[in-house]
Amino acid sequence: NAGVTQTPKFQVLKTGQSMTLQCAQDMNHNSMYWYRQDPGMGLRLIYYSASEGTTDKGEVPNGYNVSRLNKREFSLRLESAAPSQTSVYFCASSDSSRGNTEAFFGQGTRLTVV
Amino acid sequence: GESVGLHLPTLSVQEGDNSIINCAYSNSASDYFIWYKQESGKGPQFIIDIRSNMDKRQGQRVTVLLNKTVKHLSLQIAATQPGDSAVYFCAQRAGGFKTIFGAGTRLFVKA
Repeated sequence: NAGVTQTPKFQVLKTGQSMTLQCAQDMNHNSMYWYRQDPGMGLRLIYYSASEGTTDKGEVPNGYNVSRLNKREFSLRLESAAPSQTSVYFCASSDSSRGNTEAFFGQGTRLTVV
Repeated sequence: GESVGLHLPTLSVQEGDNSIINCAYSNSASDYFIWYKQESGKGPQFIIDIRSNMDKRQGQRVTVLLNKTVKHLSLQIAATQPGDSAVYFCAQRAGGFKTIFGAGTRLFVKA
């Protein structure tokens, strides 16, 4: 089982460039999430999708947009990258139909904005 | 506001000893707590969870204790092994889908 797959694993952008981070899960989970992790800090929620067709802001949504393309895929877009968005980005999914359950994480995308 | 914090940023233990990682949380409305392990270069991995109607839960070599009176969570690892070296995060969920993570504790296991 692949679980949660993120692409790309590494990316360097120039300030002002745009890009989309891709995420797909094969566990038939209805909820998906995007987090960022900065050095020495925990994960902060950017956006989440409780179910297919819905998206909501998390703690730090500014500068990002998301699309829940279908049940499997949840993408994160940076329209105009800024150095403050240099971080490691994690996608996660969970089966919220069973109430509170743990999230499963991808391997992360390390993004550097110069 | 909501926060989940850890008392110790780093913890160093001898192989074979027991480890205890502590976590304080501020939102008394939280009903679900999770411990994650993150190894270098990887995403967080679920270890164990506990719901607010419990005060203790055991897994394989791990135990989570929840003290709602003082809003404290701990993770106990029995017979710590080198493979346990990682960063450990506690997280809380207070309804909905927003999970708040603590800053993490780095566990070093000395051989």
